[in-house]
Amino acid sequence: AQSVTQLGSHVSVSEGALVLLRCNYSSSVPPYLFWYVQYPNQGLQLLLKYTTGATLVKGINGFEAEFKKSETSFHLTKPSAHMSDAAEYFCAVSDLRSSNTGKLIFGQGTTLQVKP
Amino acid sequence: DGGITQSPKYLFRKEGQNVTLSCEQNLNHDAMYWYRQDPGQGLRLIYYSQIVNDFQKGDIAEGYSVSREKKESFPLTVTSAQKNPTAFYLCASSPNRGLGETQYFGPGTRLLVL
Repeated sequence: AQSVTQLGSHVSVSEGALVLLRCNYSSSVPPYLFWYVQYPNQGLQLLLKYTTGATLVKGINGFEAEFKKSETSFHLTKPSAHMSDAAEYFCAVSDLRSSNTGKLIFGQGTTLQVKP
Repeated sequence: DGGITQSPKYLFRKEGQNVTLSCEQNLNHDAMYWYRQDPGQGLRLIYYSQIVNDFQKGDIAEGYSVSREKKESFPLTVTSAQKNPTAFYLCASSPNRGLGETQYFGPGTRLLVL
């Protein structure tokens, strides 16, 4: 069965440090991959999305992610953390069991804490 | 402004009561989704609809019901059969119903049991 694993439910970085949030997926074929951000008591906002083509995907707010088929990974990075990046981040993969729908499978989320 | 609205922001349910959460979108999107979010469990799909007058069960549909009588509206009813309804409920929509479509989310409704 397809699944998404986010390594580390909590990640803490200092302001200005590199942000690395890990996401691994299980799928027999390359899926569509997404990263969303959620601020407290709000809905989810799309950060970036991988469909096909270039494996390095740039998103909003300075985030990017690299699709690595050999490692079945789609890790999210940002060179320099800002206090405003503190939020919960979700990795998601398209549900290939339902190829004619837009259903997604979400990871359990990673809370990013940014220390001054 | 185009977007997805959910109401109310907070909802209180008494035992044995059915409650309905509203979700409206003015994006002209075909597909709509309902998710339940619990701490540490990510988002779990309750129901989804790809077209008016049609909807499908997700992974945790028991104790919930939906309707899709209009393209812009997808209300969720939490019935008395749902024994643990306390959670954050998120509605989403996507332009089309194909693989890889981006989902856009509303602000959520927090349901609490009295």
